[in-house]
Formats: sequence, C-alpha cells, structure tokens
Amino acid sequence: DVKVTQSSRYLVKRTGEKVFLECVQDMDHENMFWYRQDPGLGLRLIYFSYDVKMKEKGDIPEGYSVSREKKERFSLILESASTNQTSMYLCASSPPPQGEQFFGPGTRLTVL
Amino acid sequence: AQTVTQSQPEMSVQEAETVTLSCTYDTSESNYYLFWYKQPPSRQMILVIRQEAYKQQNATENRFSVNFQKAAKSFSLKISDSQLGDTAMYFCAFMKRQYGNKLVFGAGTILRVKS
Repeated sequence: DVKVTQSSRYLVKRTGEKVFLECVQDMDHENMFWYRQDPGLGLRLIYFSYDVKMKEKGDIPEGYSVSREKKERFSLILESASTNQTSMYLCASSPPPQGEQFFGPGTRLTVL
Repeated sequence: AQTVTQSQPEMSVQEAETVTLSCTYDTSESNYYLFWYKQPPSRQMILVIRQEAYKQQNATENRFSVNFQKAAKSFSLKISDSQLGDTAMYFCAFMKRQYGNKLVFGAGTILRVKS
C-alpha cells in the first residue's frame, strides 16, 4: 500500500511566522506535488518536483517555496505566513510518466 | 491552459439509487487522461476511476462508470446502487499526456447519500 504522510493534520500559526509543511512518501516515487484546496476552487497546484533537488512552479506559487533534499520528502515552506494562506494543503506523489497520484491526508492550516 | 468545470456544487441521492455527476473540460490537447477522485469526510483523496482519451470505451469500476464524450469534452460519473459510504466530495481532474503528470481539478461536487 502506498502511503503518503503529512506532518500535521491541523496547524495554527501567527501572521509573519515561517511555516514548514512536511510530506513523506514510502513508494520511491519520483514525482511529488503540493496542492492547496479551497471551497469552490477545488485543488490548485502550488509546486511540484520531478526528482531530488528539482522543483517547478505550479499555478499559484506566490508566497511559497519548496525543498526536496531526499526523494521521499517534499517540504512546503511559507516564508512569512499571511491570513490568505489559511487553507487545506494536500501533498501527493506518483511514479512517472503518468502514474496515478496518491494523496496524503491533508494539513488544515489556520493563520491568525 | 486547461480548465475543468463541475457545474453541480451539491447533489443528493437516496440509498440504492443511481446518480450522475457532471464534468466538462476545455483543452486543445488530443492526448490526455481524465479522472474522478473522491474525498470523504476523512479528507483522504481516493482515485475512483480513470479514462484515457484515446480509448473510446468508457471506463468502469464496479458501481462506478463514466460517460466520456470526447467531442463534447464531457466526462460524467455515474454511481449505481448508491451507498452511504459514497457520501463525499467528488473531483473531476484532467492531465495532459506528457512527462510531469500535473492534474487540473474542477471545483468539486458534494454528494450526499441519504438513507
């Protein structure tokens, strides 16, 4: 069974704080993704990575950065959290080239 | 850019009945994949069904089937014999047939199955 885990289910942070969201997958997948889920907007891609140390911007990268130092781990970083980054964040992984994406359970982030 | 539209924000169905969720998409690509994902209250996204655009035959997975109309760019999901466990948010998603399998999602449809 593919397993994608995320470091927190719920997280509350203050405006201006640096926030790290961690994602780990155990299936040796090359591709990893970070999405943001908001009501009425579905899931939107923030960043993705094809391989270690490689990253590409998705549709809404502003205010976010990512890090992939090891194949199994993909971190999403909010350099200075703002209230408009309050959202559900979902991580996913998949094998290339067009494999199914497997999702983590999500982190509900609230920025006060 | 590709877009995916789900025009039904919420739907409800009685247990054991059949329900159809609608999805339309816009693309200039000829080779692509379409998906339906389910997100129950537990929040865990699960792949329900997958359709490859070059296949004319509609995909089927047990009680779930799709009606794929490529010319009309329509991809509806039919759930037969609805069960209480089908209650979830359903997302339609599009992926180009290329390396780097990014998904483009619709806004989702909340389905409630009533007993």
